[in-house]
Amino acid sequence: EAGVAQSPRYKIIEKRQSVAFWCNPISGHATLYWYQQILGQGPKLLIQFQNNGVVDDSQLPKDRFSAERLKGVDSTLKIQPAKLEDSAVYLCASSSRDRAGGYTFGSGTRLTVV
Amino acid sequence: QKEVEQNSGPLSVPEGAIASLNCTYSDRGSQSFFWYRQYSGKSPELIMFIYSNGDKEDGRFTAQLNKASQYVSLLIRDSQPSDSATYLCAVNGLNTGFQKLVFGTGTRLLVSP
Repeated sequence: EAGVAQSPRYKIIEKRQSVAFWCNPISGHATLYWYQQILGQGPKLLIQFQNNGVVDDSQLPKDRFSAERLKGVDSTLKIQPAKLEDSAVYLCASSSRDRAGGYTFGSGTRLTVV
Repeated sequence: QKEVEQNSGPLSVPEGAIASLNCTYSDRGSQSFFWYRQYSGKSPELIMFIYSNGDKEDGRFTAQLNKASQYVSLLIRDSQPSDSATYLCAVNGLNTGFQKLVFGTGTRLLVSP
C-alpha cells in the first residue's frame, strides 16, 4: 500500500511570510494527524481529523496556524504569518479507524524560518 | 510533570550488547504503548507496540510494560551500528475512541562497532 505523502520536503521562508503544507494519507485511513517536531524534541500533536471533522486542535496556535481536510482525504496545514520559532519538521500521519497498531508517518516537511 | 518522559541520552553501547531504553508516563488510563525509531533527518518508524502487562518479543526487540509502575521499556538484543537512532516512546492518550499518541522526547542510542 502507498504510504502517507507529504509535500514539499523542504521550505525556507522569511518571518512574517505564509506557507502551506500538503498531506495525502493512506487510502481508507479516516484519521489524519499533523505533528510539529522541533529539533531535539518529540513530535507534538497540532491537530487531529476524523474524516473531515476536527477531533482535537487544542495545541494548534490558532492565531497563525490553520488546517483543513476537504472531503475527508487530503489535508493542508497553513502558517500565516510565520515566526522564527515555527522552524521545525511538520509530520503528517494517518491511522485506520480501529485503535490498534499506531500511526504511519509521512516523510515530513522541514520548515526553516529566517 | 511531562506526560511521557524519556532520558534523552545518548545511550552508548558496544556492538552485540543489549540496549535498554526506558519510558515513564503519567496518565494511568493509557492503554496502548508504542516504540518508534527515528533516524537522523527521517520520520518516525513504528517498531513495536504493546497493550498488556509483561513482555512482547519481536526478533531482537522486546517491549516490556508495567502499568502499575507506569513504565515501558524496549530492549534491543545483539545491538548493531544500524540500530543507532533516536527511539521515541509514545502513549495512547485519554480514551476518546480514537488513537491519539503522545510522544516523549526520545532517547538517542549510539552503537559502536
